[in-house]
Amino acid sequence: GEDVEQSLFLSVREGDSSVINCTYTDSSSTYLYWYKQEPGAGLQLLTYIFSNMDMKQDQRLTVLLNKKDKHLSLRIADTQTGDSAIYFCAEMRYSTLTFGKGTMLLVSP
Amino acid sequence: ETGVTQTPRHLVMGMTNKKSLKCEQHLGHNAMYWYKQSAKKPLELMFVYSLEERVENNSVPSRFSPECPNSSHLFLHLHTLQPEDSALYLCASSQEGVQSANTEAFFGQGTRLTVV
Repeated sequence: GEDVEQSLFLSVREGDSSVINCTYTDSSSTYLYWYKQEPGAGLQLLTYIFSNMDMKQDQRLTVLLNKKDKHLSLRIADTQTGDSAIYFCAEMRYSTLTFGKGTMLLVSP
Repeated sequence: ETGVTQTPRHLVMGMTNKKSLKCEQHLGHNAMYWYKQSAKKPLELMFVYSLEERVENNSVPSRFSPECPNSSHLFLHLHTLQPEDSALYLCASSQEGVQSANTEAFFGQGTRLTVV
C-alpha cells in the first residue's frame, strides 16, 4: 500500500467547513505538512505540524494530529471557491518528503 | 512566486529527442530535488542533490539524467523518453543539515512534459 493515504475527492458548499484526512505509516516522521496545488501551479506550503503537537491553528486552517493512529487532518473553516485545489499531505522522513496522492477539493457556490 | 523558477513551463518532445528541464532557486538553499507528478499516482521523488552532490536516486531510468552545476541550478536531461514519462516535473529546494529545524521545501511551478 501507499505510505501516505488520502481520499481523492471532497465536495463542499461555500461557507461550509472542509475536512481533509490523511494517514501515514512512519511513526518516526518529525514533521507533517499540508500543501496546496492550484490548477497549472506548483505546490504551495499551507501549514505544517511538528510530531509532538496535537493541534495547530492558523487563521481558517486547523491541523489535527493523532500520532497514535498516525492520522492527520486539515480543517478549512468558511471554505471559499478560491480554496478549490488539490491538497497534499506529506511526511518528512530523513530529510525527504513523502506525499500522498492528493485530495481534490471542489467548492461550489 | 516561491523563489524557485522552472523552465520551460510546457514541453512537447518526440521519443527520439533530447531536451533539458531547468530549475533555478534564489533562496540560498543547499538542497534541490526533482519530483514527478503523474495522474493517479503519488508524487515521486526522483533525485536529491545536497551540497551539489547527488544523495539519492530512487531507481529512476537512465533516460533521466540530473545535473547540479551549483547550489542554485538544477537540470534534468531527457533522452529517448517514452509516452508514459509524460507528467508534471516539479523542482524543489530546501535548507538541509539542521535536524531540529523544519526543512520546508519550496516548489517551482513545474514543467508539463508530453512525450509523443
